[in-house]
Amino acid sequence: QSVLTQPPSVSAAPGQKVTISCSGSSSNIGNNYVSWYQQLPGTAPKFLIYDNDKRPSGIPARFSGSKSGTSATLGITGLQTGDEADYYCGTWDSSLSAWVFGGGTKLTVL
Amino acid sequence: EVHLVESGGALVQPGRSLRLSCAASGFTFDDYAMHWVRQAPVKGLEWVSGINWNGGRVAYADSAKGRFTISRDNAKNSLYLQMSSLRPEDTALYYCVRGLIEVSGMIDYWGQGTLVTVSS
Repeated sequence: QSVLTQPPSVSAAPGQKVTISCSGSSSNIGNNYVSWYQQLPGTAPKFLIYDNDKRPSGIPARFSGSKSGTSATLGITGLQTGDEADYYCGTWDSSLSAWVFGGGTKLTVL
Repeated sequence: EVHLVESGGALVQPGRSLRLSCAASGFTFDDYAMHWVRQAPVKGLEWVSGINWNGGRVAYADSAKGRFTISRDNAKNSLYLQMSSLRPEDTALYYCVRGLIEVSGMIDYWGQGTLVTVSS
């Protein structure tokens, strides 16, 4: 059971918008920056969002992140079939002195 | 371009030991923390261990404490994970991952992984 809670799956049609939630506690999301990772089928995870809402160079503006209290959200607009992947949130947990990840959310673009 | 190449994965029997290595290139290795993150078959990501930029601070997941040891050689731009008393539940793809200076800093680039299978 993951320290951070994500929905197992989400789906939406091409061109639409989807959000993926990540719920934690004061020891992790509440007091540390959140990152998001995209894992396309059969590949290694890829850095998508850092410091809650910042995009590394090369990541399209269609991807956005936000944080409020002990929850974080990844938003993807203008969905493309190539966005079908597993998405993970992650952050440092100050109580555990460990990095923690969400269980992952499988995005299906119908 | 950041490049992380893991090696050392193998099929090993329960109770045996194994050492993973990660060769880093494309960035100033001793400016960054490094981590090992694993992914069991058809499962999610599980952080295993992290080490800060100079090796002065290390951290382990509960599942790794007492059995795994992380280390680095900045002169060789290399990261290591010494694993002992391996269990079937340690079976996973082990990723070498770059972090920001300290262990608690953000994690960004990932290698392609090396497969560890623990089975008799």
